[in-house]
Amino acid sequence: GQNIDQPTEMTATEGAIVQINCTYQTSGFNGLFWYQQHAGEAPTFLSYNVLDGLEEKGRFSSFLSRSKGYSYLLLKELQMKDSASYLCAVRDASGGSYIPTFGRGTSLIVHP
Amino acid sequence: DADVTQTPRNRITKTGKRIMLECSQTKGHDRMYWYRQDPGLGLRLIYYSFDVKDINKGEISDGYSVSRQAQAKFSLSLESAIPNQTALYFCATSDPGQGSVETQYFGPGTRLLVL
Repeated sequence: GQNIDQPTEMTATEGAIVQINCTYQTSGFNGLFWYQQHAGEAPTFLSYNVLDGLEEKGRFSSFLSRSKGYSYLLLKELQMKDSASYLCAVRDASGGSYIPTFGRGTSLIVHP
Repeated sequence: DADVTQTPRNRITKTGKRIMLECSQTKGHDRMYWYRQDPGLGLRLIYYSFDVKDINKGEISDGYSVSRQAQAKFSLSLESAIPNQTALYFCATSDPGQGSVETQYFGPGTRLLVL
């Protein structure tokens, strides 16, 4: 299985940049996902990385280093609505099911 | 209209009662999943189904059972509810036809309280 680690909570200021890290250990890495989840709501897909490097999508970017077992989600020009939990999920091919395993999530609080 | 729906959205039940949570989807996806979410523990997989005749246990299947009645419907049952099954339950779907970026689409969740 995977061992996925992300910070429990982070705070940042409106308009700033924040980086949320995710480290993982897996025997058959097959992709990494980031989801956003507002309190009491469903998780929604943000980004996907399977190759090393940076994927940019508007204010959000996600980076992957497979050799280091490391990813980060970068949020720029923070807005109050970005206050949410951010879930890192890693897909492992070694078990055969290819279903992502989720980390415990990072709760981001954006203040004025 | 929501693509993945769950009923009920909230449920209070007593220890020992049997309850069923239902999930329906209009996305036409073959793959469906049930997760529970507890504070500080993230999303944990209970059961999953890759098509109508396929049922598989996830990480925490004890105390739960599922039924895949059709491509669009996947139900989760608690045969005899206990208080530590109090949690937020999510249904999700995915489409392997998306290729490697097989995203999961989540329903709005069912908040269950077992007294």
